[in-house]
Amino acid sequence: AQTVTQSQPEMSVQEAETVTLSCTYDTSESDYYLFWYKQPPSRQMILVIRQEAYKQQNATENRFSVNFQKAAKSFSLKISDSQLGDAAMYFCAYWGFSGGSNYKLTFGKGTLLTVNP
Amino acid sequence: KAGVTQTPRYLIKTRGQQVTLSCSPISGHRSVSWYQQTPGQGLQFLFEYFSETQRNKGNFPGRFSGRQFSNSRSEMNVSTLELGDSALYLCASSGSLGTGELFFGEGSRLTVL
Repeated sequence: AQTVTQSQPEMSVQEAETVTLSCTYDTSESDYYLFWYKQPPSRQMILVIRQEAYKQQNATENRFSVNFQKAAKSFSLKISDSQLGDAAMYFCAYWGFSGGSNYKLTFGKGTLLTVNP
Repeated sequence: KAGVTQTPRYLIKTRGQQVTLSCSPISGHRSVSWYQQTPGQGLQFLFEYFSETQRNKGNFPGRFSGRQFSNSRSEMNVSTLELGDSALYLCASSGSLGTGELFFGEGSRLTVL
């Protein structure tokens, strides 16, 4: 079964600085998607960034970028110029084959990011 | 475009009761997934529905069930509630099959006493 591991339960960063959240995953598949989702204190989960496994180029969305290392099965999220509104729980997620003809999204346990003013 | 709407937002039940949660997906989305979120277990996949058919199911006991209607609205039901069922239940819809790009509702917070 696919697993997603986020080794940092909590992280903190000063406003305007850069922080990197780590994620590793385990899979025997070659075709899949990886995501970072953000869950602010209001609880609604929103998509931050996604990466297709077949693409070598790292995805970027404004201040958010990823470092995707397929061979190492690593998928870290870098947040540049951190803002107070970035404070949230961040979940790394893997979308891929889960058996039979099914696919599903598997989440890591999350990293709670605090942004200090 | 309205987002994913979940009702009720909060509810309190006692052990042995049953509960039904509702989810209205984004207009045009035909896939609805349900997740259970707890501090200890994190986010766990319950099931996914597409066009009124259950496409995938997680490792939960049969007390957890769901369905989807022709208008894509979905309900999940938990029977014979246990204390451990206390959780935030998240619904997500998707307009694209096979990509994992989900749009989440704010969740239904269930407390079982």
